[in-house]
Amino acid sequence: DAGITQSPRHKVTETGTPVTLRCHQTENHRYMYWYRQDPGHGLRLIHYSYGVKDTDKGEVSDGYSVSRSKTEDFLLTLESATSSQTSVYFCAIRRDANNSPLHFGNGTRLTVT
Amino acid sequence: AQSVTQLGSHVSVSEGALVLLRCNYSSSVPPYLFWYVQYPNQGLQLLLKYTSAATLVKGINGFEAEFKKSETSFHLTKPSAHMSDAAEYFCAVSDQANDMRFGAGTRLTVKP
Repeated sequence: DAGITQSPRHKVTETGTPVTLRCHQTENHRYMYWYRQDPGHGLRLIHYSYGVKDTDKGEVSDGYSVSRSKTEDFLLTLESATSSQTSVYFCAIRRDANNSPLHFGNGTRLTVT
Repeated sequence: AQSVTQLGSHVSVSEGALVLLRCNYSSSVPPYLFWYVQYPNQGLQLLLKYTSAATLVKGINGFEAEFKKSETSFHLTKPSAHMSDAAEYFCAVSDQANDMRFGAGTRLTVKP
C-alpha cells in the first residue's frame, strides 16, 4: 500500500449531523483528493488539495468542505449530512500533477439514515 | 473539460477468451490516460498509464492498452482472461489541470 490511512472505515450517522472523514498519508505527496463512489457513476471528485491550505472544488462539492493544515492530513467534512451523501468515500494521493497516478486508500463506507 | 466514457457497464467473457474494455476520452489538450482495477472492498490500483512515450502501453497482470488519437480511445485488452481478472475496471483522464476524472466503470465477469 502507498501509506494512506482512511478513518473511520465505516460510519453510520443520522441526517443533519456533522461528519468528518480523515485521510492520513506517510508519503509526503503534494496532492490529495477526495472522491465518492456510487453505482453507475464511477468515482466523482469532491475536492482536492495541491498543498497545505490550498484546496479546490471538484465536480460534486456541494455539501462538503475540506481542510488541509498539514501535508499528511486531508479532512472531508459534511456539515449537515443528508441521505444523498450515503456513499463510499475514497482518499487518494499523488506525487505531482499530469502523468503521476493516484494512489488510493481503502475507503470509508458512510451511511446516512 | 476533460471526461471519459466507458462503453458497457458489464462485460462477461469465458476463461481464456480475449478481454476488451472500451474507453473514449474528451480533452482539449493532449491527455494523460490511466486504467485502474478495483477488487471488492478495496481501493483502486493502477493497471497502466499512457504518457505519450508510446501508443501501446503494457501494464500489470498481462493487460495492455492502445492510445488512438484519431478515435480518442484508450481501450484495455488482455489476450486470455483468467478467473482472477474478475473485478471492476476504471478508465481515467488527466489533462494539464490538477484533477483526474474517472469513467463510470466496467464490471468484468469471467466464466469458467
